[in-house]
Amino acid sequence: EPEVTQTPSHQVTQMGQEVILRCVPISNHLYFYWYRQILGQKVEFLVSFYNNEISEKSEIFDDQFSVERPDGSNFTLKIRSTKLEDSAMYFCASSVDSYTNNEQFFGPGTRLTVL
Amino acid sequence: DAKTTQPPSMDCAEGRAANLPCNHSTISGNEYVYWYRQIHSQGPQYIIHGLKNNETNEMASLIITEDRKSSTLILPHATLRDTAVYYCIVRVIAGGGADGLTFGKGTHLIIQP
Repeated sequence: EPEVTQTPSHQVTQMGQEVILRCVPISNHLYFYWYRQILGQKVEFLVSFYNNEISEKSEIFDDQFSVERPDGSNFTLKIRSTKLEDSAMYFCASSVDSYTNNEQFFGPGTRLTVL
Repeated sequence: DAKTTQPPSMDCAEGRAANLPCNHSTISGNEYVYWYRQIHSQGPQYIIHGLKNNETNEMASLIITEDRKSSTLILPHATLRDTAVYYCIVRVIAGGGADGLTFGKGTHLIIQP
């Protein structure tokens, strides 16, 4: 069964450093998403991406964040100048389209620890 | 998207049916009821969704009241692997836009052996 994959599974970085989280969505999916979950808190939507541009973003997704689909398979989240409060699980998701079911398939997550 | 209310936690015996309620009294006519679950530290997993008719798939059944103000997710024969946080989400299926899901705190379902 096709699945969303994410790398790395765990990333440790120093405050102020840049990190790039990588995702490989399911191959025939057209919509891509990033969510984060701070330990013990709710899953929060960050951004959605379609047709090589941002479709929707939340208040959390400020200038510190950017997304990119650099090739036909990867979908990346870049966090510039990380802060302690960026420590969280980051989940990538993808969906076929948003006209019918719009079931979102989630990856296993990347645990980001900012020291 | 309409707000949902779920109990924070529930217990269920293994092998029994788990019935998880959700209130969504402000739901609009074009809003669907979605259920996802999150097993500890894993990514959320889609379970089922519906508009106004009851729905069933290989994982669960969804019962939506006639006035659509509440719904119940039924796991017919709960196993220990069904221990997870279950999220009820009400949303429009939007054409032409990739809408993010709004997760609440959900119901922590604990299946007891």
